[in-house]
Amino acid sequence: GENVEQHPSTLSVQEGDSAVIKCTYSDSASNYFPWYKQELGKGPQLIIDIRSNVGEKKDQRIAVTLNKTAKHFSLHITETQPEDSAVYFCAATVNNYGGSQGNLIFGKGTKLSVKP
Amino acid sequence: DTEVTQTPKHLVMGMTNKKSLKCEQHMGHRAMYWYKQKAKKPPELMFVYSYEKLSINESVPSRFSPECPNSSLLNLHLHALQPEDSALYLCASSAWGGQPQHFGDGTRLSIL
Repeated sequence: GENVEQHPSTLSVQEGDSAVIKCTYSDSASNYFPWYKQELGKGPQLIIDIRSNVGEKKDQRIAVTLNKTAKHFSLHITETQPEDSAVYFCAATVNNYGGSQGNLIFGKGTKLSVKP
Repeated sequence: DTEVTQTPKHLVMGMTNKKSLKCEQHMGHRAMYWYKQKAKKPPELMFVYSYEKLSINESVPSRFSPECPNSSLLNLHLHALQPEDSALYLCASSAWGGQPQHFGDGTRLSIL
């Protein structure tokens, strides 16, 4: 089955710096890769996702890159702000687009701290 | 605000009590999920419902009993829980056959 490794487990940056979180997956059939942000006392919130037919996706200060050959994908946050402080989870799954879908397999999470 | 609403936000119960967790979504999603999340861990899938039918049970103990009365509602009935069942219980929904999954803010459950 799928296995997702996430690094680092903790990350501390100064406000305004960039943050990068990396994930690797094992199942080459996985084709959907979401990133979730979880703040204290809240549920995971989807912040960006990427499908395997795309190499990069951006949304304002957040970007995700995917390398299918190496089976890894990364989250990039630029111009970090204190409100970016949270736990970030990557995940991978097989999405059959209208048929059955695989379960989301999560990485273990990265605790990001942005110091003012 | 999340589009998946979970109640109650907090629940404390004894090991002999019976209680229920409720989840509601009005996005027209036909897949709904229950997850369990322990502190500093990722969510773990418990159950998946598709079109109001249970499609996945991840070998969850029978003291957890899910129910999907209609396409907008998902319940989790709890009975004779153990202290190790204390956790954050998350509900999520998605359009069937597609992602992404949208999560609620969870119910923080404490078993005395």
